[in-house]
Amino acid sequence: KAGVTQTPRYLIKTRGQQVTLSCSPISGHRSVSWYQQTPGQGLQFLFEYFSETQRNKGNFPGRFSGRQFSNSRSEMNVSTLELGDSALYLCASSKQDGYEQYFGPGTRLTVT
Amino acid sequence: GENVEQHPSTLSVQEGDSAVIKCTYSDSASNYFPWYKQELGKGPQLIIDIRSNVGEKKDQRIAVTLNKTAKHFSLHITETQPEDSAVYFCAAPNTGNQFYFGTGTSLTVIP
Repeated sequence: KAGVTQTPRYLIKTRGQQVTLSCSPISGHRSVSWYQQTPGQGLQFLFEYFSETQRNKGNFPGRFSGRQFSNSRSEMNVSTLELGDSALYLCASSKQDGYEQYFGPGTRLTVT
Repeated sequence: GENVEQHPSTLSVQEGDSAVIKCTYSDSASNYFPWYKQELGKGPQLIIDIRSNVGEKKDQRIAVTLNKTAKHFSLHITETQPEDSAVYFCAAPNTGNQFYFGTGTSLTVIP
């Protein structure tokens, strides 16, 4: 069974731009969660989608948004990028209850 | 909200020795406790998890113990091998199923 895939793996953007990251969950998994990982703050929860609906949201500004499609694939968008948005963005998929999360390799975003 | 604390932040052991990493959590409603291993350049890998209705779970050289009264759970790795070297994270969900992660333990197994 294929694992969680994320594209692109690396991204360099300039302050003020926006970016869209993509995540394809494990087949049969309907929950997708997004996390930001930085050396200073560690792993922080962004949001979770289940059946195309945002089920949970962390404490991030509205510049961070996401969506989920009918095939469970998910995208997250960051608008008006700031230097502090430089991080590894991870998505994780799970079945229905949101537990037993399996992570993708992440997208390394660098904002210059 | 949930608060997860993890200790130690770094751990060095000789190959063949055991390693123990401990986490405490604050939300008494938390009922699921996973452990992740993250190698350089990769995403976290789920290595073992435990639900609140059991006190211990083993999978070959890895075990997790849970003390709900004291609100702590631990990862035990026996007979450590160089390939066990990685960063390990614990996590716990709050009542809204948002997962909070510990700050990580960098484990080095010395051959």
